[in-house]
Amino acid sequence: EVQLLESGGGLVQPGESLRLSCTASGFTFNNFAMTWVRQAPGQGLEWVSTISDSGGGGSTYYADSVKGRFTISRDNSKNTLYLQMNSLRAEDTAIYYCAKRGGYHDEWGQGTLVTVSS
Amino acid sequence: VLTQSPATLSLSPGERATLSCRASQSVSTYLAWYQQKPGQAPRLLIYDTSNRGTGIPARFSGSGSGTDFTLSISSLEPEDFGVYYCQQRNNWPLTFGGGTKVEIK
Repeated sequence: EVQLLESGGGLVQPGESLRLSCTASGFTFNNFAMTWVRQAPGQGLEWVSTISDSGGGGSTYYADSVKGRFTISRDNSKNTLYLQMNSLRAEDTAIYYCAKRGGYHDEWGQGTLVTVSS
Repeated sequence: VLTQSPATLSLSPGERATLSCRASQSVSTYLAWYQQKPGQAPRLLIYDTSNRGTGIPARFSGSGSGTDFTLSISSLEPEDFGVYYCQQRNNWPLTFGGGTKVEIK
């Protein structure tokens, strides 16, 4: 059974940083691209970032709204996906989901809530 | 940009649901559909226009190509109510539509 477990969310002030983690199990992690998608309160889904699998050389892709502030990475030895979020803004407040695959997403975690507020 | 219509669909169990997703430029056949229920993560229903995800019932079907796509639910079950999103993977950035809420009439 595939499981994706996000952690690291919380309440931070504008301008601060946070690192999210997503621990995967039930599949061969390094064989799949991985993605972060977020959902602001009461709003729709927004793609944030994708990192390719090992075969893709670890290529990374970002939404314009987070480019230069967020960094996606992975540690295949730990089956873990990360999202380093710097210079956080109020508009980054959302539930952050990690999802399996890069193009479409066939498995999702339950999400971790990030709140940016003073 | 992906535009979904209608914003809300009010139907009774047993009725047929037809949801639309229109792209501002061609996405070929690289379109997926997700279902999301309150407090839950999205679930993949359909990928690449017409392929059902693992364990997705046959009452869900997808069609279309280029800029116009449709998700059909042949006979609504009580568990089918929720919000449905389309998503394209034809080019970066990946984008989602704004969603269609399917509610009980």
